[in-house]
Amino acid sequence: AQRVTQPEKLLSVFKGAPVELKCNYSYSGSPELFWYVQYSRQRLQLLLRHISRESIKGFTADLNKGETSFHLKKPFAQEEDSAMYYCALSGNTGFQKLVFGTGTRLLVSP
Amino acid sequence: EAGVVQSPRYKIIEKKQPVAFWCNPISGHNTLYWYRQNLGQGPELLIRYENEEAVDDSQLPKDRFSAERLKGVDSTLKIQPAELGDSAVYLCASSAKPTGELFFGEGSRLTVL
Repeated sequence: AQRVTQPEKLLSVFKGAPVELKCNYSYSGSPELFWYVQYSRQRLQLLLRHISRESIKGFTADLNKGETSFHLKKPFAQEEDSAMYYCALSGNTGFQKLVFGTGTRLLVSP
Repeated sequence: EAGVVQSPRYKIIEKKQPVAFWCNPISGHNTLYWYRQNLGQGPELLIRYENEEAVDDSQLPKDRFSAERLKGVDSTLKIQPAELGDSAVYLCASSAKPTGELFFGEGSRLTVL
């Protein structure tokens, strides 16, 4: 069965501090992993996907198949990064059958 | 571009009443999704349409939930009768191709009393 675990409901950091939002997954095949973000009063939107290997808004995420993890990282957090972050997985079907984690709220204080 | 449009944004009903949600996808997007997001949880897929065909409704509770996309554009999700546990945000999303990026609407928040 596909499962995504985000162990932290809330992550609170100060501006300029490094950020790591944890995501672990369970999947028997070759997964595709995604990070979605929802800013206050905005709709859910794609932040990045692992196959793109991009850095978006300073965020990166590396797929570690050995540890079945896809942690989201940013070296220096900004106040505008405060949002709800969801890790999601699909089983080699692009965006068709996304399984989401429960989300982590990131709060960046000045 | 308005993006995916959903209505109503908020709905409060008593249990056993019916409720319907409407979604207008981004123009030209043939793939449409309905997700349900319970409080404190991530979105869960209910149904996926390719044009007017429901190609994946395996997670739709068919005893009380129904959906339609008659002309392959707008879609309606209905619950009849609603139960307390149906309180959630119902999200619609669309994509330009079957495996393409999803674009979400703002959601319809349902409260069942």
